[in-house]
Amino acid sequence: SQKIEQNSEALNIQEGKTATLTCNYTNYSPAYLQWYRQDPGRGPVFLLLIRENEKEKRKERLKVTFDTTLKQSLFHITASQPADSATYLCALGSGDMRFGAGTRLTVKP
Amino acid sequence: GAVVSQHPSRVICKSGTSVKIECRSLDFQATTMFWYRQFPKQSLMLMATSNEGSKATYEQGVEKDKFLINHASLTLSTLTVTSAHPEDSSFYICSAPKGASETQYFGPGTRLLVL
Repeated sequence: SQKIEQNSEALNIQEGKTATLTCNYTNYSPAYLQWYRQDPGRGPVFLLLIRENEKEKRKERLKVTFDTTLKQSLFHITASQPADSATYLCALGSGDMRFGAGTRLTVKP
Repeated sequence: GAVVSQHPSRVICKSGTSVKIECRSLDFQATTMFWYRQFPKQSLMLMATSNEGSKATYEQGVEKDKFLINHASLTLSTLTVTSAHPEDSSFYICSAPKGASETQYFGPGTRLLVL
């Protein structure tokens, strides 16, 4: 069966450290993998998209890697700040996306 | 960035009544919109793809007669939950791509509580 697993339900880190979130999937061959941020009671907000032929993509303090052999994506937030505290969702595809359950990140001052 | 709105943001209704949720793209046109449902502490589950001018495409297990979708214009899709029951209580979110973009712009969501 198809699965999208975000390995940590919750992740707590200290301000200034790098947060690394993991997304693993099985029985999918996505052309795109996306990361979204969701705050409580809000809709997701797009962060980064990476294509199957790309290994890495960066945007400011964010970095995403995509390993189609391992079927895994890593999402990094460097120099984390308390304002980065939120739930981060990985999603496969582009239109009718399939989402992981999310990782709730808490950055402590 | 692109803006998608939803109305209402929150609705409480009695069991057996119908509730309509609107999703609008405010500064772009969307021939396709997507409807998701999210239960507490769970991820978004795709319910259906709303297509302007044609029938919606529903995901397996989603009852098309219960969740009526109408995409009457290039900026508006509506989801009607018919004969709502307490188990339909959830957070309903719509999304739309802008142009040929692969990314989605999400609405703020509608919290439905059925008593």
